[in-house]
Amino acid sequence: AQKITQTQPGMFVQEKEAVTLDCTYDTSDPSYGLFWYKQPSSGEMIFLIYQGSYDQQNATEGRYSLNFQKARKSANLVISASQLGDSAMYFCAMREGPDDMRFGAGTRLTVKP
Amino acid sequence: GAGVSQSPSNKVTEKGKDVELRCDPISGHTALYWYRQRLGQGLEFLIYFQGNSAPDKSGLPSDRFSAERTGESVSTLTIQRTQQEDSAVYLCASSLGGDPMGNEQFFGPGTRLTVL
Repeated sequence: AQKITQTQPGMFVQEKEAVTLDCTYDTSDPSYGLFWYKQPSSGEMIFLIYQGSYDQQNATEGRYSLNFQKARKSANLVISASQLGDSAMYFCAMREGPDDMRFGAGTRLTVKP
Repeated sequence: GAGVSQSPSNKVTEKGKDVELRCDPISGHTALYWYRQRLGQGLEFLIYFQGNSAPDKSGLPSDRFSAERTGESVSTLTIQRTQQEDSAVYLCASSLGGDPMGNEQFFGPGTRLTVL
């Protein structure tokens, strides 16, 4: 069964606007971590943000915030004030234990000038 | 070096040959991961090393794949008798030990493997 689902293969956003990238997950483990990574066309994987399952508040890192809805098992990434350099693939990932890191299929974000 | 390094950056091989991919993690990182990323797809978890513990090999796609790591240093991923479906980018990542949930992984640039 798919553990991480990213339903948007591609997204477009106008420069300076906000965009939400969806991620839902499936786990029965009460302890888990959720991550978002960015992969530009260069291929490198860049860590963006982390949310622990026991964290009470939504994680934020600069223009990135994670809309964590535990009951719905969703961990959407919100990028505010989009920039052209935000165009990339974005991957949601979940870790249930130290040896079980699963990535979603990714969403390709294109920022239009 | 400050980051995770991988070599070679590109590898072209003929079907049936063996290949060896290398990963140098960030110094002090006890955890090391290997992933496979096929073109246009997400990351497929292959194997994880934590310190001197026995690795979890359950993610390896077949017995043609094996990986080793000596202590908390370099790791090698070996693919024997390569097949065309092995063509992908192989990514290595490392992270601090301790609390595995919150420690993000730092990724290397990957090795692009092409099997002709």
